Amino acid sequence: QSALTQPPSASGSPGQSVTISCTGTSSDVGGYNYVSWYQLHPGKAPKLMIYDVNKRPSGVPDRFSGSKSGNTASLTVSGLQAEDEADYYCSSYAGSNNWVFGGGTKLTVL
Amino acid sequence: QLQLQESGPGLVKPSETLSLTCTVSGGPISSSSYYWGWIRQPPGKGLEWIGNIYYTGSTYYNPSLKSRVTMSVDTSNSQFSLRLSSVTAADTAVYYCARVRVGSGLYFDYWGQGTLVTVSS
Repeated sequence: QSALTQPPSASGSPGQSVTISCTGTSSDVGGYNYVSWYQLHPGKAPKLMIYDVNKRPSGVPDRFSGSKSGNTASLTVSGLQAEDEADYYCSSYAGSNNWVFGGGTKLTVL
Repeated sequence: QLQLQESGPGLVKPSETLSLTCTVSGGPISSSSYYWGWIRQPPGKGLEWIGNIYYTGSTYYNPSLKSRVTMSVDTSNSQFSLRLSSVTAADTAVYYCARVRVGSGLYFDYWGQGTLVTVSS
C-alpha cells in the first residue's frame, strides 16, 4: 500500500478558506467512506478533525469540513484563524484491517 | 477523558529491538468498539501506520513492517506494547499510540503525545 498524496503546503489569510486534497486509489480512499483528517501541532498529541469523510467530532469547530469525490478526499478550513496553522494528515481505511496515511500538508496562515 | 502515554527507551542501537509501551487511562482497554494502534513519523516525513491490536490479542500489521513487528496487550494493566526488531536508522521516528474506533466508523480518535526513538550506535 502506498501513502496517500497530499500537497506539501497550503496557505491562506485570516478569514479566507483553504482546501487540502488527499488522493488515493480505489483500494483505499475511493473504496471506503472511512477517510479521516488529523491536526498535528509540534509537541502535542495529534487531534482528530474529521472522520468517516465528513463527520466532525464534538468540539471541532464547524469551520472544518470534509468531502470526497472518487479517489480524492478534501479538507476545507473556512474562516481561517491563526490557531489553524498546523500540519494536517489524511488517513484512509485500505481494507483487510489495513490503514494508510498521507504525506501531510503544512497549513500556513499568512 | 481518555489519555494515552507512550514510554520506552529513547535510544536504540542498530540491529537491536525497539520496545515501547502505551498506558491507557480514563477508559477501558477491553472494549469491543476499539482497537489500539501504533503510528510513527520519521523526522521530516509523514505518518506511517504500524499496526493495531484488539484487546483479545488479535493483531493487524502494516505489510511493509510485518516481518519485524510484534504487538501485545496487557488488559490487567491497561497497556499495549510494540516491539520492532532489527532496527536501522530508518526506524528513527516519533512513535505514537492511539485508540482506533471500529464498528460504526473507522478512525483514530485519541492519541498519545508521542515519543522520539533514535536508532544510533
